[in-house]
Amino acid sequence: GQNIDQPTEMTATEGAIVQINCTYQTSGFNGLFWYQQHAGEAPTFLSYNVLDGLEEKGRFSSFLSRSKGYSYLLLKELQMKDSASYLCAVKDSNYQLIWGAGTKLIIKP
Amino acid sequence: IAGITQAPTSQILAAGRRMTLRCTQDMRHNAMYWYRQDLGLGLRLIHYSNTAGTTGKGEVPDGYSVSRANTDDFPLTLASAVPSQTSVYFCASSPVDAGELFFGEGSRLTVL
Repeated sequence: GQNIDQPTEMTATEGAIVQINCTYQTSGFNGLFWYQQHAGEAPTFLSYNVLDGLEEKGRFSSFLSRSKGYSYLLLKELQMKDSASYLCAVKDSNYQLIWGAGTKLIIKP
Repeated sequence: IAGITQAPTSQILAAGRRMTLRCTQDMRHNAMYWYRQDLGLGLRLIHYSNTAGTTGKGEVPDGYSVSRANTDDFPLTLASAVPSQTSVYFCASSPVDAGELFFGEGSRLTVL
C-alpha cells in the first residue's frame, strides 16, 4: 500500500526554527509537495521537490532524499501566523497525489 | 481575482436527498479534482478530470458522480446523501495533470 507519515502535532516558540518530517512509501515517485492549511481555509502551495537536496524559499525550506523516502519542511524565524497544518503529498507513478494527514503546528509566544 | 469558486460554502442536508456541489475556475486549467477532508485523514481524491469531456475515479468515488462539460465547471453530485458523506469538500485545479494544485475555499457538508 501507499503511505505518507507525518507527526500529528508539533509545538514551537515564536522566533525559533522547526522541522516537520515526512516519510513516504509509494508506488513510484514523481515529486513531493508541501502545502500550508490554516484552520477553516483551503490548502495553499508552499514547495515542490523532485530532485534530492534543499529548496529554499524565504523563511521556508524543503528537503528531499529519494533514496530514504524522506522529506522535511524547515520553517525559520517562526511567526504566530505560521500556526497552521502542513500537508505533505507525493506524486506516484500514475501521477496521482497521495496525501499525508498533515502536521498541526502550534506556535507559542 | 482569478481562482476557484465553490458553492455552497456550507450546507446541512437530510439523508437521502440529492445534492450538487458546484465548482468553477477561471484560470483555464485543464485538470480538476474533488477531494474530501476528514479529521485525522489526508485529503482523499473522489473524482478527477484531466481535460474537458473526461473524468476518472479517485480513491473514494462511491456515492459521488461528476461531469466536465467544459473547461471551467466541475460539479460534484451526491445522488442520495448518507451521514458518512459529512465532510469538507475541496475542489482543486492544476494547469497540468498532477501539477501544483489551486484549491477552492471548500464546502462544508453535514448529512443528518
